[in-house]
Amino acid sequence: DSGVTQTPKHLITATGQRVTLRCSPRSGDLSVYWYQQSLDQGLQFLIQYYNGEERAKGNILERFSAQQFPDLHSELNLSSLELGDSALYFCASSPSGAGGRGANVLTFGAGSRLTVL
Amino acid sequence: KNQVEQSPQSLIILEGKNCTLQCNYTVSPFSNLRWYKQDTGRGPVSLTIMTFSENTKSNGRYTATLDADTKQSSLHITASQLSDSASYICVVTLSGGSYIPTFGRGTSLIVHP
Repeated sequence: DSGVTQTPKHLITATGQRVTLRCSPRSGDLSVYWYQQSLDQGLQFLIQYYNGEERAKGNILERFSAQQFPDLHSELNLSSLELGDSALYFCASSPSGAGGRGANVLTFGAGSRLTVL
Repeated sequence: KNQVEQSPQSLIILEGKNCTLQCNYTVSPFSNLRWYKQDTGRGPVSLTIMTFSENTKSNGRYTATLDADTKQSSLHITASQLSDSASYICVVTLSGGSYIPTFGRGTSLIVHP
């Protein structure tokens, strides 16, 4: 157990629907990152939050949004789902948002597998 | 073009053999480089981390090297085991800015008995 908890583990839904993926970071970590991993693809950075505020944005579609709550858990909202959104979605956390040798050690959750039919 | 390139894309070896995975990066300025191991369907797990001034870092049967001048890193696995079958991902982080790590696409390693 990495200490990063993601729910649900698996999710099957239809095109056009909306889903929410949830992430609880490791205790003490302030930063949360979201990544998308499609079949046989590398990890694609979506977005980062640090202590409740958006810190950096990657290749996140406008149909996707995220937030980090005061208790530091984060949610990734995916709407108007398309077949191509089927992927593993990973959440990772780190102690801080920037700087230092160890500050951005990413601890990953087990992922949420989304299947869009 | 991905700023972190890994080779080979996939590799099959026999149990007990050694292998070396390569990572070339173009991102700069450089802060640190990590190797992660990702089992199928699981989240990546950090194996090693190296900063600019470090050339070699070992973690059991895993040894990572870094040449910051040529922007190359390698991960050497000694006496491979079946449990080494996984994807190995090279991750480079810039210094300055938001410190978002840049991931390579990984090398898929299969160890056969």
